[in-house]
Amino acid sequence: EVLLVESGGGLVQPGGSLRISCAASGFSFSRHAMHWVRQAPGKGLEYLSAINSHGDSTYTANSVKGRFTLSRDNSKNTLYLHMGSLRTEDMAVYYCARDTVGAFDVWGQGTMVTVSS
Amino acid sequence: QSVLTQPPSVSGAPGQRVTISCTGSSSNIGAGFDVHWYQHLPGTAPKLLIYGNNNRPSGVPDRFSGSKSGTSASLAITGLQAEDEADYYCQSYDSSLSGELFGGGTKLTVL
Repeated sequence: EVLLVESGGGLVQPGGSLRISCAASGFSFSRHAMHWVRQAPGKGLEYLSAINSHGDSTYTANSVKGRFTLSRDNSKNTLYLHMGSLRTEDMAVYYCARDTVGAFDVWGQGTMVTVSS
Repeated sequence: QSVLTQPPSVSGAPGQRVTISCTGSSSNIGAGFDVHWYQHLPGTAPKLLIYGNNNRPSGVPDRFSGSKSGTSASLAITGLQAEDEADYYCQSYDSSLSGELFGGGTKLTVL
């Protein structure tokens, strides 16, 4: 079964840092670009970032540029999102998604990040 | 401006047909980039409904169809069912951003 499972979400104070992970199984992880998308409470989906299959090219949306970075470990079939200088507006459910011909065909269930003092 | 505009809400009775529009610009849909559509129910993972403007992944009923023309795209749902009540999002690549973009989402209510 093709699966993506996010983990690492939780409560963090404003200004703090957090790393969330996305574990892939059931497919050749190293052959796919991967993405992060988030949904804040009561809001729509917001595109955050992308990393190519090799992990040597990334894209980060302006809303989180300079604060969030992504990486991947193809030997561990895992995608990461490193989040720093967190703000209350970063509170959201964070999803990872697999890229196939530009569409996001597999999604994880999401991990909740709460930013609050 | 790099945005994809969707109506906030649409509604229809069971069995009816509804369409959801996604209006972009010359830097995304109008530049020829593909449009993809997703269905999202609260508390669940989004689901790919249409990829490459008008292609359905296996398992998606043929009640769902997509089209694209100029700087806009549309998702059509025929034979509305109660289970179709969800949020729907379009997505495309934007050359000004050099990245992907989601529409604001449309809430479909089945009356």
